[in-house]
Amino acid sequence: EVQLVESGGGLVQPGGSLRLSCAASGFTFSSHWMSWVRQAPGKGLEWVANINEDGSEKYYVDSVKGRFTISRDNAKNSLYLQMNSLRAEDTAVYYCARGLLSLDPWGQGTLVTVSS
Amino acid sequence: EIVMTQSPATLSVSPGERATLSCRTSQSVSSNLAWYQQKPGRPPRLLIYGASTRATGVPARFSGSGSGTEYTLTISSLQSEDSAVYYCQQYNNWPPVTFGQGTKLKIK
Repeated sequence: EVQLVESGGGLVQPGGSLRLSCAASGFTFSSHWMSWVRQAPGKGLEWVANINEDGSEKYYVDSVKGRFTISRDNAKNSLYLQMNSLRAEDTAVYYCARGLLSLDPWGQGTLVTVSS
Repeated sequence: EIVMTQSPATLSVSPGERATLSCRTSQSVSSNLAWYQQKPGRPPRLLIYGASTRATGVPARFSGSGSGTEYTLTISSLQSEDSAVYYCQQYNNWPPVTFGQGTKLKIK
C-alpha cells in the first residue's frame, strides 16, 4: 500500500523555524517527483514546493521563496520541508503528495501553527 | 500565474440526482487539469486527471470533461458519501501549480 506520513508540525513563534518530514512507503520513492501543499484553516489548497527525483530541481511558490527549502533523502524514503522565518500566514496543515502534476496520493497532513 | 475560478461555491443536490461542478481557468490549460475530493478532516483524493481520466479506484459515476478554459466535473446518481469539497487544479503552466477555491457539495 502506498503511504505518506508527515511529521514535525507544531506551535512556533513568528520568526521561528520548523522542519517537516514525510516518510514514504509502498512505492519506489526515488522514481517520483514529490510536492508539499498547504491548507490554511478553513481555506483552500495552496501548492508550496516540489522536487524532482534526484533532488536537483526544486520549485517554490513566491510567498515562501528564500524562507522554505524542500529536500529529500532517497536512501531513507523521506521528503523534507525546512521552514525558516515563519509568519502567521504560514499557519496551515501541510500535506506531502506524490507527483509533479496531478498529485496522488496525499499524506494525512501535519499542522503548523505560527503564533506568539 | 493561472487563476482558477470554480462555480458554484456551494451546491445542494438530492441523492440520485446529478451534480455539475464548473472550473474556469484564466488561460487555456490544454486539458492539463485535475479534480480532487476532500472530506472533512481528510486529505484530498485525486479523482480525475488529464481533464477526463478517472484515477484508480474512482467510481464511474465521476466524470470529467472540458477543454481550453472551461472544465466540468459531473457526478451522476449522487450518493451520501459524495458530500465533500471538490477542487480543480491546473498543471499546464507551472510553477506555480494552482488550485481553484473549491465547490462545497451538499447532499439534501
